[in-house]
Amino acid sequence: NAGVTQTPKFRVLKTGQSMTLLCAQDMNHEYMYWYRQDPGMGLRLIHYSVGEGTTAKGEVPDGYNVSRLKKQNFLLGLESAAPSQTSVYFCASSYSSLGGGDLDTQYFGPGTRLTVL
Amino acid sequence: KNQVEQSPQSLIILEGKNCTLQCNYTVSPFSNLRWYKQDTGRGPVSLTIMTFSENTKSNGRYTATLDADTKQSSLHITASQLSDSASYICVVTYNNNDMRFGAGTRLTVKP
Repeated sequence: NAGVTQTPKFRVLKTGQSMTLLCAQDMNHEYMYWYRQDPGMGLRLIHYSVGEGTTAKGEVPDGYNVSRLKKQNFLLGLESAAPSQTSVYFCASSYSSLGGGDLDTQYFGPGTRLTVL
Repeated sequence: KNQVEQSPQSLIILEGKNCTLQCNYTVSPFSNLRWYKQDTGRGPVSLTIMTFSENTKSNGRYTATLDADTKQSSLHITASQLSDSASYICVVTYNNNDMRFGAGTRLTVKP
């Protein structure tokens, strides 16, 4: 099993450009999440999905959109990139919800380092 | 003020030594607390999960403690190895569905 994979690994954008980050998991997990990680701060939840065709906002959703057309994929889109979106983006998946127990342990991808100039 | 505070921010120890990392939180109502290990350039990997009724849980050389009354947790690493060099992140789930991540402690183990 590959676990959670993310593409691309690195990307440099100019302000105003758009891009899509792809997350894929092969563990048949229902739940998927997008986080951003900035220096000196904890991971912050951008958007999440509790199943195919569903999405919900997290702590910092502004400037991002997501889609979950297939159970194994979760896409994060930036329609008009801004320098404030320079960050490392992590995708994660889990079998069940954030309610506690081993079943909701999140498995993280390797991250995408995005720089917006 | 971050709702999950970790200390120290960074720590350097010699190989073979023990160390303890701290996590204090203010969020409530508490559901569970996890410790993750994040190697440089990688995503976090779960080490332990602790629920309200658990005081201590071990995973090999890692031992986590939880005091839900004082809202404190610690991660103790015994006989450190070079491969323990990483960031250690405390994550608290509260309200059943909400999570807050600490900023992490960066541990460097030197030979």
